[in-house]
Amino acid sequence: DAKTTQPPSMDCAEGRAANLPCNHSTISGNEYVYWYRQIHSQGPQYIIHGLKNNETNEMASLIITEDRKSSTLILPHATLRDTAVYYCIVRVGRVAITQTGANNLFFGTGTRLTVIP
Amino acid sequence: DADVTQTPRNRITKTGKRIMLECSQTKGHDRMYWYRQDPGLGLRLIYYSFDVKDINKGEISDGYSVSRQAQAKFSLSLESAIPNQTALYFCATSDTDRTEAFFGQGTRLTVV
Repeated sequence: DAKTTQPPSMDCAEGRAANLPCNHSTISGNEYVYWYRQIHSQGPQYIIHGLKNNETNEMASLIITEDRKSSTLILPHATLRDTAVYYCIVRVGRVAITQTGANNLFFGTGTRLTVIP
Repeated sequence: DADVTQTPRNRITKTGKRIMLECSQTKGHDRMYWYRQDPGLGLRLIYYSFDVKDINKGEISDGYSVSRQAQAKFSLSLESAIPNQTALYFCATSDTDRTEAFFGQGTRLTVV
């Protein structure tokens, strides 16, 4: 799986959009970009994922650059409950049942987002 | 009820003791995972299982073993616990290669 690079921490004012960047310059054509978040020692929570098109759901938007070497997670109106560590992961789908090393979720250290009142 | 349930939630054990962490899921998924989390290191994959007969080592499997008793159950064992296995442990499950993973609430293990 491709390595990702994220800033260690970011602050965002409550009610404003939070834009969390992720670099994945070695991403392969069949690798998806996933975002998870972890709120203080709870289990990680899935947010969104995409391949090459921008995606939006009820939680967030995912913007992937045309060359797919970076992406941005956007929380449109950050609240205090969005304070968490956000993980960007790239992940390949497994082709054959005997293929090893694929379909793992490798988490890095993520970005600690603090939403400020 | 939670989709992924881990037991116990907290455990303190002595060095050299055998301990088992249990995980069960109600999602009906084939894939299950065990991670550990240490401060400043994110989550690291210990073992993963794509189905009952398919179990694989992750990044840091030394000192751990697993058992996939059924599609819904995946347990992690520390045969002889040591202090540097003190960590927060998470179990997860997912359906296919491209769907989200669901995590349990974690087990905080302390080895003294």
